[in-house]
Amino acid sequence: GESVGLHLPTLSVQEGDNSIINCAYSNSASDYFIWYKQESGKGPQFIIDIRSNMDKRQGQRVTVLLNKTVKHLSLQIAATQPGDSAVYFCAENRDDKIIFGKGTRLHILP
Amino acid sequence: DVKVTQSSRYLVKRTGEKVFLECVQDMDHENMFWYRQDPGLGLRLIYFSYDVKMKEKGDIPEGYSVSREKKERFSLILESASTNQTSMYLCASSLDSPGTGRAAFFGQGTRLTVV
Repeated sequence: GESVGLHLPTLSVQEGDNSIINCAYSNSASDYFIWYKQESGKGPQFIIDIRSNMDKRQGQRVTVLLNKTVKHLSLQIAATQPGDSAVYFCAENRDDKIIFGKGTRLHILP
Repeated sequence: DVKVTQSSRYLVKRTGEKVFLECVQDMDHENMFWYRQDPGLGLRLIYFSYDVKMKEKGDIPEGYSVSREKKERFSLILESASTNQTSMYLCASSLDSPGTGRAAFFGQGTRLTVV
């Protein structure tokens, strides 16, 4: 079937530690992936994207890794801060539509 | 910055009413999308549009229609609202087809309650 899913619905991380949010996708033909962050009461906000011809892409404090062999995507957030508390969605481009996973809530521990 | 504006943050409508959700973007984007977001189900695509007067069904179009008379405006219509359409509705726009590598930018969302 078609799905973009996340391994864990909730992730708790100590402030200052690195966070890793994982995502599995099932469609090997997908060629473009995006991570979004959604804070409470707001719409999803673009964080970082990656094309299928890349394995890794870095932004400011965030890194996305793509493993096409096992159809796995991850978002790494360095030095997690209270402002990183949100729901994170991975999304894939399929047939020119952006299809979202169900989301992972990142909870920051003081 | 891209700005996607949804006309209402909160709406309460009665079952059977015709409901219009409006979305406007100010960056001359070609593509516009409507999603609904429900707990445990994530974002699901209802309809999208690549151009004026053009529309395509998403994954859950039943009970909805859309209108794109102008490039900057994409309306979602609930012909006869039902309680199972109570949800958060999110509008998005993107410059190019998602396949070319352009992510979508979202509005703040409209929380619709149908009673």
